[in-house]
Order: sequence, then C-alpha cells, then structure tokens
Amino acid sequence: AQTVTQSQPEMSVQEAETVTLSCTYDTSESDYYLFWYKQPPSRQMILVIRQEAYKQQNATENRFSVNFQKAAKSFSLKISDSQLGDAAMYFCAYRSFLAGGQIIFGKGTRLHILP
Amino acid sequence: EPEVTQTPSHQVTQMGQEVILRCVPISNHLYFYWYRQILGQKVEFLVSFYNNEISEKSEIFDDQFSVERPDGSNFTLKIRSTKLEDSAMYFCASKAGPESYTFGSGTRLTVV
Repeated sequence: AQTVTQSQPEMSVQEAETVTLSCTYDTSESDYYLFWYKQPPSRQMILVIRQEAYKQQNATENRFSVNFQKAAKSFSLKISDSQLGDAAMYFCAYRSFLAGGQIIFGKGTRLHILP
Repeated sequence: EPEVTQTPSHQVTQMGQEVILRCVPISNHLYFYWYRQILGQKVEFLVSFYNNEISEKSEIFDDQFSVERPDGSNFTLKIRSTKLEDSAMYFCASKAGPESYTFGSGTRLTVV
C-alpha cells in the first residue's frame, strides 16, 4: 500500500523569505501523480501544484515549485517570497495513475508566516 | 471556473439520527468521491463512485454509509445512524479523467 509522510508538523517562515516543506512517499508503482494541497482556515482543499511521475522536469506554479526526486521518493514544496496569505495547512498527496484512483494524503504541515 | 458545490456547509445532528450530505459535481465529470477529515487529522478516503456504482471503498465506509446519484446531477452521502466519532469535515470531489480532482468546500458535520 502507498503511504505519504510529512515529517514537519509545523513550520514558520518570515514574510518574503523562502520555505521548503518536505514530503516522502512509498509506492511500488512507476506511474503516479503527486500533489500539494493547501487548506486555509476555511478548510477548503485547494490544489497548489501537481507533478506527474513520468515527467523529469519539476513542476512550478508562480511562487510555488517542487523538487521531485523519483528515485529517493521525495517530493518537497518550495514557496518563494512567502506572503501572509500562504499561512495554511499543506498536505502532500499521492494518486495512482489508474483513472479512478483515490488520493492518499500525508498528515500535513502547518505553515505560519511571520510578519 | 466550474466548481463542486456541497450543501449544507455546516450540519449539526443528534447521535443516532440519519444525515444526508449533498454534492453537485462538475457536470461533465465521471468520477465522484467522498473524503473525511476529522478535526486535526489527515484527510481520509471514504468511497469512489463511477458509472453509477461504487468502484472502491475504504474500511471506514461501513454499512452505516451509503452513496447515491439519484438524479444524474446530485451525489449524496448518507450516514444512517450517526455516532459522535462521525463528526468531521466531509469533502466531495469529482474529476473527468486522469487529471486532478476538484474538491468541494466541504460540509462540517457535528454530532451531539
């Protein structure tokens, strides 16, 4: 069975600085998707970034980028120029390449932005 | 941008009562899901639904739970006899194919 591990329950970063959230996963599959979701206090689940495992190039979305290391099964999220609105719970997640596959979430990292 | 809509946003119910959580997925999506997040814990998969039947379910999804797509647009989760430990945020999600899910904004269920 696949698992997703986020070893940092909480992190803090100064506004405008860069922060990296860690995530490792375990799978025997070769094709899959990885995601980072943001959950603000409203508790809505917002997709931040997605990575297809067959793509070697790291995904980027504006200030958000990932460092995808397939062999090491590592998928970290880097947030550049942190903003107060980035404060939230961040979940790393895995989904099989199968069309109907369920998402497996990590336990989350709560990110605090210090003004 | 199309949205997945969930109603109500918050529901309070007495232990032992039946509740129905409602979701309107994006219209051209084919796969539907329910997830649960107990306060302070991670998001857990409950069930997936495709072609008018359950395609996968977790251990959490026991006989107290059922899902239905009664009219081709709504997707409902029913809990027959709620327990205190059913208190959680329930998320509906849908997708058309291999791309990412779209999650709804969730229903906060409080069982008292």
